[in-house]
Amino acid sequence: GAGVSQSPRYKVAKRGQDVALRCDPISGHVSLFWYQQALGQGPEFLTYFQNEAQLDKSGLPSDRFFAERPEGSVSTLKIQRTQQEDSAVYLCASSPGTSGRITEQFFGPGTRLTVL
Amino acid sequence: QKEVEQDPGPLSVPEGAIVSLNCTYSNSAFQYFMWYRQYSRKGPELLMYTYSSGNKEDGRFTAQVDKSSKYISLFIRDSQPSDSATYLCAMTLTGGGNKLTFGTGTQLKVEL
Repeated sequence: GAGVSQSPRYKVAKRGQDVALRCDPISGHVSLFWYQQALGQGPEFLTYFQNEAQLDKSGLPSDRFFAERPEGSVSTLKIQRTQQEDSAVYLCASSPGTSGRITEQFFGPGTRLTVL
Repeated sequence: QKEVEQDPGPLSVPEGAIVSLNCTYSNSAFQYFMWYRQYSRKGPELLMYTYSSGNKEDGRFTAQVDKSSKYISLFIRDSQPSDSATYLCAMTLTGGGNKLTFGTGTQLKVEL
């Protein structure tokens, strides 16, 4: 079956541009996570959705970062006025469980963002 | 200091060797411990998952958790070139929305 897909796979932006990164989770998965992975580092949590509700956005590094999941399926991570320090791989993961139940998170291949 | 510390390597071993990968952590509230494998330009995939202290074995892989020492390990027996990847430890709290806290990852190369 289809896994988590992300688009675009690669994005180059000039400093100051806005970007939008898309995540298509596994069908029926309730939970959706965004992580940021800098070069040579492990993924770091950004935000978490349960269906369409954003339950945790404590990892978003600044108010330039915004995420939504309006119909409880596809999610978009938007970064406004990109900066060089935003260059990283942005990973999306989905999980069938809710916050009260630990279940496996399935990761997409990531979007590699490079800000020039 | 990071909540989860992991030696980044790189670690290079001959085919057939036993590999030991480790992480230490500082937050005693972590209850669930995972090991993910990440190939280049791919997302992480779950290898092993352990709740609280103890050992868990799955084929050539063994995961150990020692909560008293805040130390977790992954052992790979009879390592193969296809095991060459970055290995990430991850952990989560109960009732924490399941967000994962990762180590930096250890890059492993198994040579023929």
